[in-house]
Amino acid sequence: DAGVIQSPRHEVTEMGQEVTLRCKPISGHDYLFWYRQTMMRGLELLIYFNNNVPIDDSGMPEDRFSAKMPNASFSTLKIQPSEPRDSAVYFCASSLAAGTGDNQPQHFGDGTRLSIL
Amino acid sequence: SQQGEEDPQALSIQEGENATMNCSYKTSINNLQWYRQNSGRGLVHLILIRSNEREKHSGRLRVTLDTSKKSSSLLITASRAADTASYFCATVIQGAQKLVFGQGTRLTINP
Repeated sequence: DAGVIQSPRHEVTEMGQEVTLRCKPISGHDYLFWYRQTMMRGLELLIYFNNNVPIDDSGMPEDRFSAKMPNASFSTLKIQPSEPRDSAVYFCASSLAAGTGDNQPQHFGDGTRLSIL
Repeated sequence: SQQGEEDPQALSIQEGENATMNCSYKTSINNLQWYRQNSGRGLVHLILIRSNEREKHSGRLRVTLDTSKKSSSLLITASRAADTASYFCATVIQGAQKLVFGQGTRLTINP
């Protein structure tokens, strides 16, 4: 079975440019999560969706970040304009449930390593 | 601040030895999960333990949970070089619908 697919795997761009990260969740999963991982801050949840609807975006750092999920098989995370401090590895994950009453694990993609020069 | 705190931050042992990692958390949880991350890869779910469980096994993995002390431990027995990775605990907080990850333990198995 295909896992969570993220693209691109690596992205290097200059500050001020728009960056779009893409994610295809596992078919049938109704939750999708975007995380950011850095050495300093560890793994941070940015936003998550349930059935394509954003539920909690309290982790989104600022208005330069936006995320969409136009359908059950695709999501994007956009940074505009990008800044050097946005450099990190961005992960997408999906699950059958958010992990409360249903206690389902999350399945992660291999991430996008983003470098803003 | 992080909900989960792993200890130690780094651990280096010889192949065949057992590895123990600990996780402490702050608030009441529904369940606690352990994940592994190999270098350059995403996290992989290892095991989930519910708040009403005390111990769980999966192959060479043994997880314990002490809700009175708000702590958990992950034991890997008979370690192998392939176990070299970072290990994270993640908690599902009661009333919330998201995982909160600790900073991880970097485990190195020396051949």
